[in-house]
Amino acid sequence: DIQMTQSPSSLSASVGDRVTITCRASQSISAYLNWFQQKPGEAPKLLISAVSTLQSGVPSRFTGSGSGTGTDFALTISSLRPEDCATYYCQQTFSTPQTFGQGTKVEIK
Amino acid sequence: EVQLVQSGAEVKKPGESLKISCKGSGYNFINYWIGWVRQMPGKGLEWMGIINPGDSETRYSPSFQGQVTISADMSLSTAYLQWSSLKASDTAIYYCAKGNVYFDYWGQGTLVTVSS
Repeated sequence: DIQMTQSPSSLSASVGDRVTITCRASQSISAYLNWFQQKPGEAPKLLISAVSTLQSGVPSRFTGSGSGTGTDFALTISSLRPEDCATYYCQQTFSTPQTFGQGTKVEIK
Repeated sequence: EVQLVQSGAEVKKPGESLKISCKGSGYNFINYWIGWVRQMPGKGLEWMGIINPGDSETRYSPSFQGQVTISADMSLSTAYLQWSSLKASDTAIYYCAKGNVYFDYWGQGTLVTVSS
């Protein structure tokens, strides 16, 4: 199985801060990397597919990127807003099982 | 509008069987894979498996292979997740989601509680 490791596990930042969450795959997954946002009591929501494709309706302050190695990826929130409080997960769909990272909980200071 | 509507919450005893459902609408059900994801209380997302409703090809995570069965009925546009003998450790929210390369639509989740 491909292991997905996110960091940090949690973070606390101020409104307006730039926040970056990283995700590392245990082997190359090409561009098969997605990001999800999950708020308490809700189903996960797809934010970004294929490393950097923003889904319709997702604010442009969310950006996905990759290092080009196929193993290192990042989700950046350019200016944190209160409604961004949530847990964020990366997921690889390069091969089955299509594993998720352990999640990063984002809180407002 | 694409929707995945899951069956309601269940309370079961250890050893009992269970089948939960996920009905798709607003799109051509047989053209998109349906996946199942487990979320144990206070924990992260775990990919369980996916099914192609068009030909019933199914792929399981090794962690769930033999523990659950994923199936689909094209005529009802519905996917299923079933257990033959539940354990207390199966207590979780189970989500279905549409897609293979990415899960773009999710069901609302089904809470399964297994307790004696």
